[in-house]
Amino acid sequence: KAGVTQTPRYLIKTRGQQVTLSCSPISGHRSVSWYQQTPGQGLQFLFEYFSETQRNKGNFPGRFSGRQFSNSRSEMNVSTLELGDSALYLCASRHGNFGDRPNNEQFFGPGTRLTVL
Amino acid sequence: DAKTTQPPSMDCAEGRAANLPCNHSTISGNEYVYWYRQIHSQGPQYIIHGLKNNETNEMASLIITEDRKSSTLILPHATLRDTAVYYCIVRVDSGNTPLVFGKGTRLSVIA
Repeated sequence: KAGVTQTPRYLIKTRGQQVTLSCSPISGHRSVSWYQQTPGQGLQFLFEYFSETQRNKGNFPGRFSGRQFSNSRSEMNVSTLELGDSALYLCASRHGNFGDRPNNEQFFGPGTRLTVL
Repeated sequence: DAKTTQPPSMDCAEGRAANLPCNHSTISGNEYVYWYRQIHSQGPQYIIHGLKNNETNEMASLIITEDRKSSTLILPHATLRDTAVYYCIVRVDSGNTPLVFGKGTRLSVIA
């Protein structure tokens, strides 16, 4: 079974631009989460989508948004890029529809490394 | 904020057992202990999780104290490829709960 894939793997943008990152979850997984990783703040949760609906949201400004398509693929968008948005953006997928069952671990993709100049 | 405390770094000789401690003194009765690791430049990888009983899988063993206030991840025979940052996470195993990562422990396996 193929793992979580993210495109592109590397991206360079300039301040003020916007960017869209893509994530394809593991087949059969309906939940996709996004995380930002920086040296200063570590790994931080951005948002989670399940069945095309945002189910949870972290503490990030409105410049960060996302969406999920009917095939569970997800995109996240960052508008008006700032230097501090330079980070590794990680996507994770899981079944997502098991409620409180314990075997619902997340599988992470390799990430997209965004550099803002 | 993360609800766990881990040492920032540890070394382990190749072939020896690596024992990574984690304190979670405020853990609630319905919260699980999860372990993930992140090898350099890769996404985090799930290792193991448990509620109150010790758990073992092909990667590691998880020992949780009886009062559940601390736990230890054991890699029985560490290899160079186990060099990574290890994250201990306490989490209600609900479909709506995101992972909250702390700073983790940077494990260096030395030949």
